[in-house]
Amino acid sequence: EAGVAQSPRYKIIEKRQSVAFWCNPISGHATLYWYQQILGQGPKLLIQFQNNGVVDDSQLPKDRFSAERLKGVDSTLKIQPAKLEDSAVYLCASSLSNSGANVLTFGAGSRLTVL
Amino acid sequence: GDSVTQMEGPVTLSEEAFLTINCTYTATGYPSLFWYVQYPGEGLQLLLKATKADDKGSNKGFEATYRKETTSFHLEKGSVQVSDSAVYFCALRGGGADGLTFGKGTHLIIQP
Repeated sequence: EAGVAQSPRYKIIEKRQSVAFWCNPISGHATLYWYQQILGQGPKLLIQFQNNGVVDDSQLPKDRFSAERLKGVDSTLKIQPAKLEDSAVYLCASSLSNSGANVLTFGAGSRLTVL
Repeated sequence: GDSVTQMEGPVTLSEEAFLTINCTYTATGYPSLFWYVQYPGEGLQLLLKATKADDKGSNKGFEATYRKETTSFHLEKGSVQVSDSAVYFCALRGGGADGLTFGKGTHLIIQP
């Protein structure tokens, strides 16, 4: 089966600019996640969708970050305006459902550098 | 809230050495436990998992046993290879509709 697709793989922007990342999960996976992985740290959950509804966005900095999954399939994560501390790899993952035992499959990630 | 603590790296071993990477967790209820691996230049991949106490997950010669009494899920391999060099992440998923909570990762370097 095709994996989780993400684009772009790399993005360099200046602070206060905006950026958007796109994710297409594995076909049939109802649950989609966005994680932020800062260099040297473990991934941190930003937002979790179940179909097109938000399950958890408690760690999403909502003053600058937004995400949507309008048709319950692919998703977009936006940062506006970007700050230096947003430099990280943004990982998208999907799973069949939000059951605890279900495995998350990750995409290759989108590496953001904010100058 | 939920948290995962794993040993700091980097861990440097010679080929064919025995490997242990410690992982302990704090969680309410009965979480599922996972080890993910990130090879250089690649994305996170599931290595193994265990969903209940005393379960043993295994894959590619790696093993980890879900120990509820010590809240641990240590990763072991009897004889490591250079190709095992990667960053290893311990993670848990709570009993509800939660995403994964990750540890900070352990960088493993295997020297020939």
